[in-house]
Amino acid sequence: NAGVTQTPKFRVLKTGQSMTLLCAQDMNHEYMYWYRQDPGMGLRLIHYSVGEGTTAKGEVPDGYNVSRLKKQNFLLGLESAAPSQTSVYFCASSRHVVEREIYGYTFGSGTRLTVV
Amino acid sequence: GDSVTQMEGPVTLSEEAFLTINCTYTATGYPSLFWYVQYPGEGLQLLLKATKADDKGSNKGFEATYRKETTSFHLEKGSVQVSDSAVYFCALLLDTGRRALTFGSGTRLQVQP
Repeated sequence: NAGVTQTPKFRVLKTGQSMTLLCAQDMNHEYMYWYRQDPGMGLRLIHYSVGEGTTAKGEVPDGYNVSRLKKQNFLLGLESAAPSQTSVYFCASSRHVVEREIYGYTFGSGTRLTVV
Repeated sequence: GDSVTQMEGPVTLSEEAFLTINCTYTATGYPSLFWYVQYPGEGLQLLLKATKADDKGSNKGFEATYRKETTSFHLEKGSVQVSDSAVYFCALLLDTGRRALTFGSGTRLQVQP
């Protein structure tokens, strides 16, 4: 029962470098989300997807791009990393609408990214 | 916009003490409300939830009641344990707009033996 798997778990980037964070879920969930967690600010939504082939902007989308080519995968890309993107990134998935209220989200264990 | 406000931490308690973590919300509709818990080095886990006014969510000795009149969802536990030490997040979910969880800033709980 893997749930939501995030790779990598840790990464250090230099300013201007690019990288992709991978999120994979094996629960056949429709919805997937990327959040960033910063001290004192809780979790803020970056981008989300309500189904395969669809993506939408969240609260803090600037500097990030996403893709959902397969239902089980949701990729988060940083084209040109900046120190302000140093954070812990969490992926989550959920069932559709009504069931989501009952079961909530399933979170991955996070990716700790440092941009120097 | 929609938002969640939590009491700032850290909250430091002795084992078997009573816990209250305050949470209030602002929303343009009728949200579902959640408490999530994050243990060190892990992702968030759903602790409890309530989907309508006056509902009480409960799990592992924790409780929270959805109070529409005060727009609150305070988390309580009668007797905390060292193993309850974690960060607790209050969150709301609306089925309009983004239809995604909006989180509070989190409250760190430290329970001492």
